[in-house]
Order: sequence, then C-alpha cells, then structure tokens
Amino acid sequence: QVQLQESGPGLVKPSETLSLTCTVSGYSISSGYYWGWIRQPPGKGLQWIGSVYHSGNTYYNPSLKSRVTISVDTSKNLFSLKVTSVTAADTAVYFCARRPIAAAGLDFWGQGTLVTVSS
Amino acid sequence: SSELTQDPAVSVALGQTVRITCQGDFLRSYYASWYQQKPGQAPVLVIFGKNDRPSGIPDRFSGSSSGNTASLTITGAQAEDEADYYCNSRDSSGNHLEVFGGGTKLTVL
Repeated sequence: QVQLQESGPGLVKPSETLSLTCTVSGYSISSGYYWGWIRQPPGKGLQWIGSVYHSGNTYYNPSLKSRVTISVDTSKNLFSLKVTSVTAADTAVYFCARRPIAAAGLDFWGQGTLVTVSS
Repeated sequence: SSELTQDPAVSVALGQTVRITCQGDFLRSYYASWYQQKPGQAPVLVIFGKNDRPSGIPDRFSGSSSGNTASLTITGAQAEDEADYYCNSRDSSGNHLEVFGGGTKLTVL
C-alpha cells in the first residue's frame, strides 16, 4: 500500500522559510508519476502549490512561483517543499499527494501537517 | 478566486440524488477529478477521468462532463456522504498546472 507522510516544523516565523518533506513508502518515486503539494488554510478550500515529476521537472502555481521550490530525492524516496518569505497568509495544512499520470486524479494523499506562521 | 467555480453549499434528502457541479473553461479540454473531504481528514479521490472510480469508492458516485461543466452525481445519498467536495483539473496552458474549485459543502438531510 502506498503511503505518504509529511514532516517538518509546525511553527515558522514571518519572513523565514517553510520547509516540508514528504516521505513515500510502498512505491519508488524513481519509477514515475507526479508528486505534488497542496495546502488548505484553516476553514478554507484547497490550493494547488505545485508538483514535481519523477525526473525532476517542476510545475508551480503562478501565484506562488516566485517563493516556492519543490525537489525530489529518489535515493531517499522523498520530495520536498520550500516556501520563502512566509507571512500569516501561508498558515495552512499542507498535504502531499501522488498523481499517476497527468490525466488521472491525486490518488494517494498524506494526512497533512499544520504549519503556523507566527512570531 | 478559483478558476473552477462550485456552488458553496448543496443539500440532499437521505436516499435522494444530488448533483454537484464545477464550471470552468479548462474543463473543455480536460476531465475533472473529484475529491471528498471530511473534517480533519485528507481529501479522498472519488472520481477521475471520464467517469472512473478508484477501488473502494461506492458506485453511487459517478461523474460526467458537458462543455465547460463537470458534474459529480451521488445516487441515493447516504449520511456518510456529508462532506466537502472539490473538483480539480489541469489548466489549458499545457504546462501541467493545476487548479481546484472552491469546494461544495454537501449536507444530507
């Protein structure tokens, strides 16, 4: 069974960098597929942040592109998210997820991790 | 603002049929996928492609599409179907970008 697990600090100070990791088990990232990050501010809807193909190609939400970096480490079977210059508006539950092919849905999700931006 | 538009809330009587819609120009080019999210939980994929269900999703969930509108239909809604539902699609730029609808809160009466 494929499992994804987010990890990282739950509290980040304003203007600093948010860093999260998604560790994948039950499937080798190097075998293929897209791996993405989605966030959900408290009480609000889902926002797609971006994704990385197993080859390392990345795709970002234009509204976040200047602050976001997604990378993949196939040797550790994980992918990562960095968001720079965070503000309170970046406070959200962050999910990682897998998309088998571009035409398919996001079939496996992590449980999500709450990141709060506050001093 | 979302580039996929959903009604914020919909209600259905127990056992009846409900349709949740998602509108957006991207849907003329790509199928939507649909997710169910219950409070405090991660979203769950319920429909993808033309009308495909992942393993374990009841067959009362179905999807359809016409023009710029995608629909999720629940035939014979159950109490456990009460949740938020989100549509998701690629944008039409061809750059593998994605977008979510704003979500629809389904209440089963």
